[in-house]
Amino acid sequence: QVQLVESGGGVVPPGRSLRLSCAASGFTFSTYSMHWVRQAPGKGLEWVAGTSYDAGHKFYADSVKGRFTVSRDTSKNTLYLQMNNLRPGDTAVYHCAKEKASYRWGEVLGYWGQGTPVTVSS
Amino acid sequence: QSVLTQTPSASGTPGQRVTIFCFGSSSNIGRDTVHWYQCLPGTAPKLLIYNNNQRPSGVPDRFSGSKSGASASLTISGLQFEDEGDYYCATRDDFLDGPVFGGGTKLTVL
Repeated sequence: QVQLVESGGGVVPPGRSLRLSCAASGFTFSTYSMHWVRQAPGKGLEWVAGTSYDAGHKFYADSVKGRFTVSRDTSKNTLYLQMNNLRPGDTAVYHCAKEKASYRWGEVLGYWGQGTPVTVSS
Repeated sequence: QSVLTQTPSASGTPGQRVTIFCFGSSSNIGRDTVHWYQCLPGTAPKLLIYNNNQRPSGVPDRFSGSKSGASASLTISGLQFEDEGDYYCATRDDFLDGPVFGGGTKLTVL
């Protein structure tokens, strides 16, 4: 069955960097667009970034543009989120999610991981 | 602040029917399909309804969705205690690159 397991979260001071990973299994990773969605404490879901199935297109929310970079390694079936210049407002649980349908973008997030928590605080 | 507006809270007793609403505009719900996600305590978010009214396999038929114009709704019939959690609508928006979510509705089962 589909499994998405995030890792790499932690506590960091403002201005530092973190790299999140999402290990995928149970489906053909190379044919699905993938996303990062976060949920800040007491807040709702916020789409952060995503990459098309072939990594040819990458998109970002305005709140993270220029600071976060999404990437994928098909040989390792892993999605990444490089987060630089972190701010307290980036504190959240970060989930990775896969599109429900292969070769589609930004439509239905069919499966989600449990998430990895990121806390930005001095 | 989300481009999709949801009522912050809803409640019902076991067995009742509850409807959650999601309001958007012509640049999002008005021109694209709506999806609903369920967030239960301690679990990963789960796709509940997609393309306005379609249920993924495994989702009970007491969950149903509809869309009219620039608004959408999620109805839960035969409410159960395990339905307590947060529910989010989502779609695409002409002016944004990725999915957009509503602010969420916290459902309480009394």
